[in-house]
Amino acid sequence: NAGVTQTPKFRILKIGQSMTLQCTQDMNHNYMYWYRQDPGMGLKLIYYSVGAGITDKGEVPNGYNVSRSTTEDFPLRLELAAPSQTSVYFCASGRTAREKLFFGSGTQLSVL
Amino acid sequence: AQTVTQSQPEMSVQEAETVTLSCTYDTSESDYYLFWYKQPPSRQMILVIRQEAYKQQNATENRFSVNFQKAAKSFSLKISDSQLGDAAMYFCAYRNTTGNQFYFGTGTSLTVIP
Repeated sequence: NAGVTQTPKFRILKIGQSMTLQCTQDMNHNYMYWYRQDPGMGLKLIYYSVGAGITDKGEVPNGYNVSRSTTEDFPLRLELAAPSQTSVYFCASGRTAREKLFFGSGTQLSVL
Repeated sequence: AQTVTQSQPEMSVQEAETVTLSCTYDTSESDYYLFWYKQPPSRQMILVIRQEAYKQQNATENRFSVNFQKAAKSFSLKISDSQLGDAAMYFCAYRNTTGNQFYFGTGTSLTVIP
């Protein structure tokens, strides 16, 4: 049982490049979330999904896009990378609203 | 929008002593869930304790307990008999009952002094 798997763990992008952060969970969770954590700060919600085919914006969605074609996968797309998107990105999933979230190990992204 | 506020960026405690981390939140909902997560330098997010707003009894998990004051919208974490392994960032989090809102505070960095 792998839990929540995020790839890659580290990435350096040039300004204007695009990339997709992958997130997969094998627990059949309906709820999935993408967060970013800036240095010394808390987690900010980017996008979330309450089930396959359903996604919605969180607190800081600008510059990002998501899709949820399957229950397992919830990729996060950065179209035109900017230095302000330098951060650590966490994917998380949960079975129900009342239960805890399971977090991936994070992706450290630098945009130079 | 719901907000979660942690007013103590840094705290320190002597080993074996007790420390309390503060958290306040803002919501118009009557039912919701509150969490404390621990993030050690490994970056892993670890659930410490969870509280359901409709339960009046404060949650406890071994050396960790909360003081949940619903009317004051306060949710503090008490760590008893502090251990070196408790040193980490601690995040307070709020989640609504439909799960589409899950917000974190800015964190408190806890140092445990031997």
